[in-house]
Amino acid sequence: QSVLTQPPSVSAAPGQKVTISCSGSSSNIGNNYVSWYQQLPGTAPKLLIYDNNKRPSGIPDRFSGSKSGTSATLGITGLQTGDEADYYCGTWDSSLSAGGVFGGGTKLTVL
Amino acid sequence: QVQLVQSGAEVKKPGASVKVSCKASGYTFTSYDINWVRQATGQGLEWMGWMNPNSGNTGYAQKFQGRVTMTRNTSISTAYMELSSLRSEDTAVYYCARTRRMRAVAGHSYYFDYWGQGTLVTVSS
Repeated sequence: QSVLTQPPSVSAAPGQKVTISCSGSSSNIGNNYVSWYQQLPGTAPKLLIYDNNKRPSGIPDRFSGSKSGTSATLGITGLQTGDEADYYCGTWDSSLSAGGVFGGGTKLTVL
Repeated sequence: QVQLVQSGAEVKKPGASVKVSCKASGYTFTSYDINWVRQATGQGLEWMGWMNPNSGNTGYAQKFQGRVTMTRNTSISTAYMELSSLRSEDTAVYYCARTRRMRAVAGHSYYFDYWGQGTLVTVSS
């Protein structure tokens, strides 16, 4: 059971927009920055978004991130078949058992 | 370019230990923490702990306390993760990841900007 909660799956047609939610608490998302990772089948995760809404060099602006309170959202516009992947949110948890935490992952299907 | 290259797949018996290596290149090894994350087949990402290659300081997830040891050899820019008392539930792909962290007024910024290719560890009798 993951500390952060994500929907198991989302789907949308090519060219459409999709959002993926990530819910936490005051000890993690509520008081720390959120990052997002894309994991294509059989590969290592790749950083998509850091510090809630910043994109590393090379990540297209079709990918965006936001945070409000104890929840965060990843948005993907202009969906492409190559976007089919698992997406994970992550952050630091400042509770007594401090450490990194992830969501359970969301499988994106581009229909 | 930044690269993290991990050691090859391992097969271990229950009760044994495994040591996975992660060789860094393309940046100053001692300037960034290395974290370890594992992923069982078909499951999500699980954070295991961090190591500061400069000081050797470490921090482990409670779940792995007493079973995991993270070390480094700065002369060859390599980090290691050793997991002992292996059980079948430890069968997973283990990743090392370069970590960016900063404590700001608005909270901790903590993310993984480069990842190794992963090392499959299979625990089976």
